[in-house]
Amino acid sequence: QQQVKQSPQSLIVQKGGIPIINCAYENTAFDYFPWYQQFPGKGPALLIAIRPDVSEKKEGRFTISFNKSAKQFSLHIMDSQPGDSATYFCAATHNYGQNFVFGPGTRLSVLP
Amino acid sequence: GAVVSQHPSWVICKSGTSVKIECRSLDFQATTMFWYRQFPKQSLMLMATSNEGSKATYEQGVEKDKFLINHASLTLSTLTVTSAHPEDSSFYICSAVGTSGGISYNEQFFGPGTRLTVL
Repeated sequence: QQQVKQSPQSLIVQKGGIPIINCAYENTAFDYFPWYQQFPGKGPALLIAIRPDVSEKKEGRFTISFNKSAKQFSLHIMDSQPGDSATYFCAATHNYGQNFVFGPGTRLSVLP
Repeated sequence: GAVVSQHPSWVICKSGTSVKIECRSLDFQATTMFWYRQFPKQSLMLMATSNEGSKATYEQGVEKDKFLINHASLTLSTLTVTSAHPEDSSFYICSAVGTSGGISYNEQFFGPGTRLTVL
């Protein structure tokens, strides 16, 4: 119930490509879904987040698609750049961040 | 966005010594702080959750007598690794949730992490 599944484990794309990372959850109590970006040797940084009352949210080159009925959400990175190479974690939470579950992460490499 | 700092950013110590890591929320009140451990190329492993002014709640398998957590104020939590051994070498990251100006955050905001190496 508390698990968040994330795929793929790793991803390699060419510069300009559109990597897509998928996550799925079981607990319908989750009401907030953030994505984090982590560079080696650094702490995770909040990238973008969505609530289940919208199906899509876009911030710059990053877009979250949300499918409430399927309990799935995904991150799309438009026009990916080598600087986007990092590990991406999806997460699900409710109760103002008190109950927080992370996906296992996706290592993205964007080739120049 | 909210800012969380961590100190030190890296530390090297001898086996058997204790090491203290500080986590501070700089511009918001952290009602809850979390401590994670991360091994290379792996996900974040939650160690414990601490609420200001109360005892930390440890995850299963985490020794509370070895990893002492104190959350004495709304802006500071500390993790002390007691009698450190080489197997404790890892990347330790704190995060916080809380309020600022009466608004409650949903997200966890992470510190930059502390690299601990025990010789």
